Amino acid sequence: AQTVTQSQPEMSVQEAETVTLSCTYDTSESNYYLFWYKQPPSRQMILVIRQEAYKQQNATENRFSVNFQKAAKSFSLKISDSQLGDTAMYFCAFMKPRAANAGNMLTFGGGTRLMVKP
Amino acid sequence: DAMVIQNPRYQVTQFGKPVTLSCSQTLNHNVMYWYQQKSSQAPKLLFHYYDKDFNNEADTPDNFQSRRPNTSFCFLDIRSPGLGDAAMYLCATSRDKLAGGPGYEQYFGPGTRLTVT
Repeated sequence: AQTVTQSQPEMSVQEAETVTLSCTYDTSESNYYLFWYKQPPSRQMILVIRQEAYKQQNATENRFSVNFQKAAKSFSLKISDSQLGDTAMYFCAFMKPRAANAGNMLTFGGGTRLMVKP
Repeated sequence: DAMVIQNPRYQVTQFGKPVTLSCSQTLNHNVMYWYQQKSSQAPKLLFHYYDKDFNNEADTPDNFQSRRPNTSFCFLDIRSPGLGDAAMYLCATSRDKLAGGPGYEQYFGPGTRLTVT
């Protein structure tokens, strides 16, 4: 079974600064996906960024980028130029692709609550 | 806008009184999931439907059931809610590769917060 660990329950950052959220995972699989999801207060969870394990290049989406270290099983999220709207719970998640005729299971970490301060 | 809708957003039920939560989607996704998220915890998958096929997670209590009458709708039935079932229930959808989607991205609804009194 896969496990995902987020060691920072809460973090804060000043607006416009950079913050890095940590995530480690444990798996014996070689083919998988990793995700960061954002869950703002009282709003729905949305996908921030994804990384395919077979890709060596770190994924980037605008102000969001990851540092994927496959051997170390580490997957951190960097948020640059933090904005007030980035305040949310952030979940790291692991997905092992199932057979083509089955849904895919997300295994979530415990979450990191990020507060962006003005 | 295409989306995942959950009703109601807040539900209060009594201990032992059956309750049904609903989820609908306009994304035409073939896979629908139900997650349970307790306070300050990560979401935990209860079960999912791949088209009409129901897939239960091994540790999902029998107290939880689900129905999917058509592609757009999926229901979560809690037959006899206990105090420990108070949580946020999240519905999510995805489009499998065979259905023309990437297979990996899940789209979440806003959730239904269930209170058991």
